[in-house]
Amino acid sequence: SQQGEEDPQALSIQEGENATMNCSYKTSINNLQWYRQNSGRGLVHLILIRSNEREKHSGRLRVTLDTSKKSSSLLITASRAADTASYFCATDPDSGGGADGLTFGKGTHLIIQP
Amino acid sequence: NAGVMQNPRHLVRRRGQEARLRCSPMKGHSHVYWYRQLPEEGLKFMVYLQKENIIDESGMPKERFSAEFPKEGPSILRIQQVVRGDSAAYFCASSPKGYYEKLFFGSGTQLSVL
Repeated sequence: SQQGEEDPQALSIQEGENATMNCSYKTSINNLQWYRQNSGRGLVHLILIRSNEREKHSGRLRVTLDTSKKSSSLLITASRAADTASYFCATDPDSGGGADGLTFGKGTHLIIQP
Repeated sequence: NAGVMQNPRHLVRRRGQEARLRCSPMKGHSHVYWYRQLPEEGLKFMVYLQKENIIDESGMPKERFSAEFPKEGPSILRIQQVVRGDSAAYFCASSPKGYYEKLFFGSGTQLSVL
């Protein structure tokens, strides 16, 4: 079953602007991760935030996690054309048994207009 | 330090044939995961393996699909008697630890069933 759901499905912004993507999930988690996928390629891990963390930074990326709302956001600041890709959140449900592995949403397709 | 290697990159099979997809994890990684991705969809978990063991196969179809990760050699995802609905991109990922840490993905195998 789908755990993470990204919003919006697609986002188009001008180069230099900030891009914000959201992810909502249904069950409790140990951690939440964000990945990027360029067209026709495998996913690349961007950042992992644990359930006891509220915010994390990595370069131009900022991730927040609100476990009370079961949601996370990914902010990319000062966007570049090379940031054009699909972005996925992934959760590992804190179910103990780890069933269904790391589950991914359908992604947000981000387009940066030069 | 080579990344996760998948081959072949593209595989074309006729209905009823067998498809074998190979995955060599990153050096030092003993955990392998297989995912399937349909166009415009997120990744669907299939199976999680460690050396010689299947840890979680909750995402594997009950028939025609099998996976192994032998002591020596790559992990193999095998699809017997392929049907058109099996056409998809199949991604392998590996990690140095278990489920909950970041995954390193290969570039995928695009399976086309004629």
